[in-house]
Amino acid sequence: AQSVAQPEDQVNVAEGNPLTVKCTYSVSGNPYLFWYVQYPNRGLQFLLKYITGDNLVKGSYGFEAEFNKSQTSFHLKKPSALVSDSALYFCAVRGQTGANNLFFGTGTRLTVIP
Amino acid sequence: DTGVSQNPRHKITKRGQNVTFRCDPISEHNRLYWYRQTLGQGPEFLTYFQNEAQLEKSRLLSDRFSAERPKGSFSTLEIQRTEQGDSAMYLCASSQSIIPWGHFGPGTRLTVT
Repeated sequence: AQSVAQPEDQVNVAEGNPLTVKCTYSVSGNPYLFWYVQYPNRGLQFLLKYITGDNLVKGSYGFEAEFNKSQTSFHLKKPSALVSDSALYFCAVRGQTGANNLFFGTGTRLTVIP
Repeated sequence: DTGVSQNPRHKITKRGQNVTFRCDPISEHNRLYWYRQTLGQGPEFLTYFQNEAQLEKSRLLSDRFSAERPKGSFSTLEIQRTEQGDSAMYLCASSQSIIPWGHFGPGTRLTVT
């Protein structure tokens, strides 16, 4: 069975500091992994995805994520946080190979403190 | 690219009433997905269309739920005899890729009183 865990409900970081939002996954076959951001009363905005290739994936708004197969992790990172990065972040994994749906984590609320 | 649009954005209804939501995908996206998001949770998959064919339905999609995508363009999601547990954000996404990452719409927030 496939699943995604976001172990932190809340992450606080000072503006200008690096940020990390953690995600671990469990899936059979090769994982397709995604990060989305959600602002209040808005839909999900795609940030980045890992399908294959380089373990370090760069995405929108300066975010990047590192795929670690041995640790089954896909942590989201940004070198220097902005107040505008404050939002709800979701990690997702495609269901089993060939599936047409994504399984989402429960989300991590990121607050960047000015 | 005008993005995925959903209407209405908000819907308040009384328990037992029927509601219908509409999703307009990005033009030429042949894949369309519906998800439901309850407070404090991540989105949960409901159903998937490829063109006009509904190819996959989650067990979450009870008999009171029905979705259509006539002519492979817009899609509708209907909930009959709404219950308070149906209160959620209903998200639509579309994709041209076989990889179901999609572009998400702003969602329809349903409140059942």
